[in-house]
Amino acid sequence: RKEVEQDPGPFNVPEGATVAFNCTYSNSASQSFFWYRQDCRKEPKLLMSVYSSGNEDGRFTAQLNRASQYISLLIRDSKLSDSATYLCVVNGLNNNAGNMLTFGGGTRLMVKP
Amino acid sequence: GAGVSQSPSNKVTEKGKDVELRCDPISGHTALYWYRQRLGQGLEFLIYFQGNSAPDKSGLPSDRFSAERTGESVSTLTIQRTQQEDSAVYLCASSNRGLANEQFFGPGTRLTVL
Repeated sequence: RKEVEQDPGPFNVPEGATVAFNCTYSNSASQSFFWYRQDCRKEPKLLMSVYSSGNEDGRFTAQLNRASQYISLLIRDSKLSDSATYLCVVNGLNNNAGNMLTFGGGTRLMVKP
Repeated sequence: GAGVSQSPSNKVTEKGKDVELRCDPISGHTALYWYRQRLGQGLEFLIYFQGNSAPDKSGLPSDRFSAERTGESVSTLTIQRTQQEDSAVYLCASSNRGLANEQFFGPGTRLTVL
């Protein structure tokens, strides 16, 4: 089993749609969780951290379910500019638990007009 | 402020040659990471430096790969006797030590081995 697992997609959605991505992680001791965004042929950039209580940033909502070891990202009112690959990221999955982040393979989103 | 920079941005080399890739992290960031990303694939962890601690080399795919870091500054990733399967984008990231652990990525070096 992969340490951080995501559905690779692609998710093809029309503008204005709501889309949700899930991610599962293997280590129950993981402490920090993030969603990164990677545009085509660009480097990944932090989209948002994921907090235990869930958090929202504009059209984006992140949720953490520790019991089931999954993280979700919800995007409301999708825009064309949301088209990208979304990477689920978890820390503490190797011997250097403090600062190591492990990236999922990413979920590709394509928003169509 | 300045972000993470990498050089060269593109490198084309012949099979069997050695290449050296450079990363300049954000000033003051104690942690530095190298990743490899093949076309259409996810990020593959290679090596991690944290301050003066011994680096975590667990992701290096073979002994042809090595990396150095001078203190908490520049890092170089060296690939010896390059193979065609080494073709990928090599990404460097840096972060502050701390719970937030956000990694800031450089633009990457696109390596093509002919």
